[in-house]
Amino acid sequence: EVKLVESGGGLVQPGRSLRLSCAASGFIFSSYEMNWVRQAPGKGLEWVSYISSSGSTIYYADSVKGRFTISRDNAKNSLYLQMNRLRAEDTAVYYCAREEISTLVRGVILGYWGQGTLVTVSS
Amino acid sequence: SSELTQDPAVSVALGQTVRITCQGDSLRNYYASWYQQKPGQAPLLVIYGKNNRPSGIPDRFSGSSSGNTASLTITGAQAEDEADYYCNSRDSSSKRVFGGGTNLTVV
Repeated sequence: EVKLVESGGGLVQPGRSLRLSCAASGFIFSSYEMNWVRQAPGKGLEWVSYISSSGSTIYYADSVKGRFTISRDNAKNSLYLQMNRLRAEDTAVYYCAREEISTLVRGVILGYWGQGTLVTVSS
Repeated sequence: SSELTQDPAVSVALGQTVRITCQGDSLRNYYASWYQQKPGQAPLLVIYGKNNRPSGIPDRFSGSSSGNTASLTITGAQAEDEADYYCNSRDSSSKRVFGGGTNLTVV
C-alpha cells in the first residue's frame, strides 16, 4: 500500500524557518518524481515545488522561490521542504504528492497524496 | 500563460449530468488531470490523460479535452459527488499549476 506521511508542521513566527518531511512507503521511492502542494485555509490548491526522481531537476512556484528548498533522500524514502523567511501568507496545509510515471500521457498525474501537515505562520 | 481557469461554483440536480471546465493555454499541449476534494480530506485523483480513471473511481466520471479547454463530466451525479474539483497540468516551463477549483453542489 502506497503511503505518504507528512510531518514537521506547526506554529512558527514570521521570518523564521521550518522543515517539513514526507515519509514514503509501499513503493520504490527513488523511481518517482514528487511534489509539494499547499492549501491555505478556505482556499484552493497551490503547487509549491517539484523534484525529479534523482533530485537533479527542481522547480518552484514564484511565490516561494528563493525561500523554500525541496530535497529528497532516496536512501531514507523521504522528501523534504525547507521553508525559510516564512510569511503569514505561507500559512496552509502542506501535502506531498507522488507524480505518476506515464510515457503516454503528456501532463501531470498526482496519483497519491499524504494527509497533509498544517503550517501556521503567526506572531 | 501558466494559469488554469475554472468556474468557482456549479450545481447539479441529483442524477443529472454536469460538466466542469478548465481553461488554459497549456492545455493545448498537455492533458489536465482532475482531483476531487471533500472537506477535511486530501485531494483524490479522479481523471487523468485523455480520459483515464484510476482504479476505484466510478465510471460516471469522464474527461475530455478540446483546444485550450479540459472538461470533467459526471453523468448521473450522486450526493457523494458533492465536493471541490481541481484541474492540474504543467506549463511550458515544466512548472505544475492548479485551477482555482470548482465547488460542486448536488441538489
